[in-house]
Amino acid sequence: ETGVTQTPRHLVMGMTNKKSLKCEQHLGHNAMYWYKQSAKKPLELMFVYSLEERVENNSVPSRFSPECPNSSHLFLHLHTLQPEDSALYLCASSQDKGKRKLFFGSGTQLSVL
Amino acid sequence: LAKTTQPISMDSYEGQEVNITCSHNNIATNDYITWYQQFPSQGPRFIIQGYKTKVTNEVASLFIPADRKSSTLSLPRVSLSDTAVYYCLVGAYTGTASKLTFGTGTRLQVTL
Repeated sequence: ETGVTQTPRHLVMGMTNKKSLKCEQHLGHNAMYWYKQSAKKPLELMFVYSLEERVENNSVPSRFSPECPNSSHLFLHLHTLQPEDSALYLCASSQDKGKRKLFFGSGTQLSVL
Repeated sequence: LAKTTQPISMDSYEGQEVNITCSHNNIATNDYITWYQQFPSQGPRFIIQGYKTKVTNEVASLFIPADRKSSTLSLPRVSLSDTAVYYCLVGAYTGTASKLTFGTGTRLQVTL
């Protein structure tokens, strides 16, 4: 148990569906992240939130929409995805300045049909 | 961000010591070196972090030479459960958040 909980663990969706991934951290951290891991590829940093403000958006397509309503929760809203978006989506959190340790959740395995 | 280079894969027998080396030639003064472990279908897990010389914790040691252009993760007496992908990351914080990027990692296979 890392203190970062992701739901759902598995998700299958059609290309026209709208779904959301949820992440919750119980560590009192104030930075949260979304990473994407495709099969046999490195983790790709998608979004970074610091103190509920988005500080990084690594050229992610607009069909992925993040939301950070408070420092404990992070969402990734999905709509009109493509089959190549099938991947493991990982949420992570970290403490503020002086700490460089990321705590990851177990991820959501997404399949787009 | 400093780019890292690691071997793609390594094999070891149970009970042996495993050393995984990471090259990071353009490491910056403020950068730390961090290693993560990842099992299939799980998120990476922090193993160890260092800035220079040697760091040791209950699961691993990290050796960093004076020029800091490389680092070596040492796993003493590995077991089958150490079979995983190991990532070396180099970076620092920008503001209050980390923008660390992961490389391809080293896939360690431990057998009997």
